[in-house]
Amino acid sequence: EAQVTQNPRYLITVTGKKLTVTCSQNMNHEYMSWYRQDPGLGLRQIYYSMNVEVTDKGDVPEGYKVSRKEKRNFPLILESPSPNQTSLYFCASSRLAGGPGDTQYFGPGTRLTVL
Amino acid sequence: AQTVTQSQPEMSVQEAETVTLSCTYDTSESDYYLFWYKQPPSRQMILVIRQEAYKQQNATENRFSVNFQKAAKSFSLKISDSQLGDAAMYFCAYRSRTGRRALTFGSGTRLQVQP
Repeated sequence: EAQVTQNPRYLITVTGKKLTVTCSQNMNHEYMSWYRQDPGLGLRQIYYSMNVEVTDKGDVPEGYKVSRKEKRNFPLILESPSPNQTSLYFCASSRLAGGPGDTQYFGPGTRLTVL
Repeated sequence: AQTVTQSQPEMSVQEAETVTLSCTYDTSESDYYLFWYKQPPSRQMILVIRQEAYKQQNATENRFSVNFQKAAKSFSLKISDSQLGDAAMYFCAYRSRTGRRALTFGSGTRLQVQP
């Protein structure tokens, strides 16, 4: 089954404790992206990657890091989480080529709470 | 920068009836994509329908159709024969055809379906 997976689905942590949220897709997509969703704000892009070893900042990159060492994986790293990073996080992926294939498909989301 | 506005925080419809969700956007670009995503209580982001700006014909997917008015920068979603499973948050989203491919989301409309 074609899908984007994220782990963990739920995480409660404390301020300053480094964490990683994993994202993996099995569709051979070149493009991957991370979004965060906050009430009343819709989703906002954190980072994106056009291909292996190619990453760049989105709209709200502060406090986050990413890496793209393999095509299928795009982990999100919070090196020193703070309470304002409490949010619902989504990973998404798509092909780069034009047409319906470049629609972004989303993972199930990760609910992060930073105390 | 592009913006997406959904002016209806909540809508309600009777089962089997038709409902229209509104979306307007602001952009200086001429070539772009528009989407409607559905977010049920499970929080999964599910693609409902997609529209290419260069296509004059409105997109349809079974009971879902859009009214795309490019000059007015309007992109409404019509749900026909509403079903209980349609109850969810609906997000309108914009994406440039090129560049970093970030989706810009509206703040969402919560749709309730009454039996």
